[in-house]
Amino acid sequence: GENVEQHPSTLSVQEGDSAVIKCTYSDSASNYFPWYKQELGKRPQLIIDIRSNVGEKKDQRIAVTLNKTAKHFSLHITETQPEDSAVYFCAASLGNQFYFGTGTSLTVIP
Amino acid sequence: GAVVSQHPSWVICKSGTSVKIECRSLDFQATTMFWYRQFPKQSLMLMATSNEGSKATYEQGVEKDKFLINHASLTLSTLTVTSAHPEDSSFYICSAQRGGLVNIQYFGAGTRLSVL
Repeated sequence: GENVEQHPSTLSVQEGDSAVIKCTYSDSASNYFPWYKQELGKRPQLIIDIRSNVGEKKDQRIAVTLNKTAKHFSLHITETQPEDSAVYFCAASLGNQFYFGTGTSLTVIP
Repeated sequence: GAVVSQHPSWVICKSGTSVKIECRSLDFQATTMFWYRQFPKQSLMLMATSNEGSKATYEQGVEKDKFLINHASLTLSTLTVTSAHPEDSSFYICSAQRGGLVNIQYFGAGTRLSVL
């Protein structure tokens, strides 16, 4: 089955700096890679996703890159703000099977 | 956007009782629903995949007689924790996959279960 690894597990950045979270996956057949943001005690919210036929996708301050050859994908948050503080999960999916990373706790220091 | 409602948000029960958690897709039909368990500061652990009108598929290590899942309609799936014990205390989250839109999952707000 699919194995998704996520790094780092914790990340602290100064407000305004960029944050990068990386994930690797093992199954080359996976074709959909969403990123979720989960604030404490709340539901995971889809913030951005990318499909395997695209190498990069951007939505305002958030971007995701995918390297299919190396089987890794990354979340990039620029100009971080305190409200970006949360736990972020990556996932790799094929069909209706989802495999989540272990999460990254991001803290943005004002 | 698609909305998934999960109830209750928090439940406290005595050891030995059963607890039912509901997951509803409010504005779309969900052909597939998923149930996750999440421990503090940990990732989402898939418990089972629920397809409307058929038996749920449980992940390895998840007791199907302990965690009963019913997906009776395209908008409702329920998880019943039977004979709950303190070790079942956790955060349970459902998600729904929209029919026709493969891959995209919409999450419920989660249910915090505390078993005394």
